[in-house]
Amino acid sequence: EPEVTQTPSHQVTQMGQEVILRCVPISNHLYFYWYRQILGQKVEFLVSFYNNEISEKSEIFDDQFSVERPDGSNFTLKIRSTKLEDSAMYFCASSQRQGRDGYTFGSGTRLTVV
Amino acid sequence: DAKTTQPTSMDCAEGRAANLPCNHSTISGNEYVYWYRQIHSQGPQYIIHGLKNNETNEMASLIITEDRKSSTLILPHATLRDTAVYYCIVEQGGSEKLVFGKGTKLTVNP
Repeated sequence: EPEVTQTPSHQVTQMGQEVILRCVPISNHLYFYWYRQILGQKVEFLVSFYNNEISEKSEIFDDQFSVERPDGSNFTLKIRSTKLEDSAMYFCASSQRQGRDGYTFGSGTRLTVV
Repeated sequence: DAKTTQPTSMDCAEGRAANLPCNHSTISGNEYVYWYRQIHSQGPQYIIHGLKNNETNEMASLIITEDRKSSTLILPHATLRDTAVYYCIVEQGGSEKLVFGKGTKLTVNP
């Protein structure tokens, strides 16, 4: 079964450093998403991306965050200057069509900011 | 205000049916009911969704009451691997954003 692949599985970074989280969505999917989950808390929507542009973003997704699809396969989330409160599990997801039923999530990247 | 109410936790014996309830008394006519689950900090996994009619797929069945104010997700023969947090999500079509609540932690016991 096709999978969404996320790398690395765990990243430790120092506060103030830039970090890039990488995702390889399923190859024929057109819609891409990032979610995060702070330890013990709810899964939260960050951003959706379609046709090479952001289609929706949450209040969490401020100027410190950016997304990019640099080539035909990767989808990245960049955090420019990490803060302690950015420590969380970050999930990438993709979907072939618009709608809430077609999501496939990756296994996540655990980001620890020290 | 949360759109859905789910019990915090439930237990089920392995091999038995797991029936997970969800209340969504303020649901509007164009809102769907979606169920996802999250197995131990992995990424959430889509299970099933419905609008009015009951639905069944290879994973589960979804029973929606006639007034649509509540629904039940049924895992017909629960296994230990079904231990997870189950999320009931009520949203309109159109936007594809998922809004997760706290869900129900289902523990399947041997």
